[in-house]
Amino acid sequence: SSELTQDPAVSVALGQTVRITCQGDSLRSYYASWYQQMPGQAPVLVIYGKNNRPSGIPDRFSGSSSGNTASLTITGAQAEDEADYYCNSRDSSGNHWVFGGGTRLTVL
Amino acid sequence: EGQLVESGGALVQPGGSLRLSCAASGLTFSRYWMSWVRQAPGKGLEWVANVKQDENEKYYVDSVKGRFTISRDNAKNSVYLQMNSLRVDDTAVYYCVRIQRAGTTDWFDPWGRGTLVTVSS
Repeated sequence: SSELTQDPAVSVALGQTVRITCQGDSLRSYYASWYQQMPGQAPVLVIYGKNNRPSGIPDRFSGSSSGNTASLTITGAQAEDEADYYCNSRDSSGNHWVFGGGTRLTVL
Repeated sequence: EGQLVESGGALVQPGGSLRLSCAASGLTFSRYWMSWVRQAPGKGLEWVANVKQDENEKYYVDSVKGRFTISRDNAKNSVYLQMNSLRVDDTAVYYCVRIQRAGTTDWFDPWGRGTLVTVSS
């Protein structure tokens, strides 16, 4: 399969922990990367590889992977984390790339 | 690290053509794969095309294959997307993105601010 599946929407109480998941067959072979997109802005890389954060990304963001599922975890969610989150990976052919449908995170 | 600036977006009629450009600065452009990613209004991200450093490899999403062509000019630190036979469903913000690759890991960073392509009669 060349698809990555994400839950369309997730909510979390302020200060609590939330996990956003991404499922797809290609994740058995390739790591996912994760992107945060605020309304009207370009996406920003937040996690890549096994669990790597670019400089400037808070350490409350972390990544993990098991089988066909990659996860983005926000530990102690803040109001400014409210955004759309997308996963990305190569597909099973290795020559195409695919994004998940995105998860809208609401911080209550 | 690095900046990407897209240009060339416009309103075009169905069946028309458009060429997008992306100028890179502050990064060693010739060392990296480059990509175009698009986002239709109110929709998610869609990978469109990639080009290898020396243009020897190019890949496209099936929906644009045969209509779009990605290219680059390393001397000008620029990547392009020639879009022909445009359709209404090609309407989107088009982002230019650098790809970094390490084994089984790829990541798209940085992203440009995007350029809007509207296909409408």
